Amino acid sequence: NAGVMQNPRHLVRRRGQEARLRCSPMKGHSHVYWYRQLPEEGLKFMVYLQKENIIDESGMPKERFSAEFPKEGPSILRIQQVVRGDSAAYFCASSPPYSQETQYFGPGTRLLVL
Amino acid sequence: QKEVEQNSGPLSVPEGAIASLNCTYSDRVSQSFFWYRQYSGKSPELIMSIYSNGDKEDGRFTAQLNKASQYVSLLIRDSQPSDSATYLCAVNLDSNYQLIWGAGTKLIIKP
Repeated sequence: NAGVMQNPRHLVRRRGQEARLRCSPMKGHSHVYWYRQLPEEGLKFMVYLQKENIIDESGMPKERFSAEFPKEGPSILRIQQVVRGDSAAYFCASSPPYSQETQYFGPGTRLLVL
Repeated sequence: QKEVEQNSGPLSVPEGAIASLNCTYSDRVSQSFFWYRQYSGKSPELIMSIYSNGDKEDGRFTAQLNKASQYVSLLIRDSQPSDSATYLCAVNLDSNYQLIWGAGTKLIIKP
């Protein structure tokens, strides 16, 4: 059973470009969470999604950031017009429907904005 | 404001000794408690979950929960250098999917 998959693992963007981060949850998992982590800092919750629904986006900046989890395909975290402060590790986690609070993490995407 | 507090460390423990990591939380209705291990540059990995007061053992790891005192601990017996990592405590509220995360304790096991 494959774990949570994220790609790309590393992404370099110049200021003003768009970044698209993808997350495929574990098989059978229908809940996806996105987190951001700055170096030497803790995890910061961004958004919680189920298939075709955003359940909670309270941790996501109001501008430039969006997330989706379509019926088919991976969850996407999209950052428009990236700035240097967006440089961080972005982790996706998924959980099964019978134990939503138990989250399993993907390897993360390291975003570097030049 | 619901909070989860951990000592940031670093906590230095000699190899073979018991490492004790502590976590306190502010919300009395918290129901589920999790310990994750995160190696530098890697993603968090679930080690233990605990739901009831008392101890839960899994190999060299023991989680201890005291809801009355609002703390949860992780003990690592026979510490190994490979246990050196940051340990994250996470707490879940009843009927709430979201985990509230501590900032993590950095553990260093000295050979």
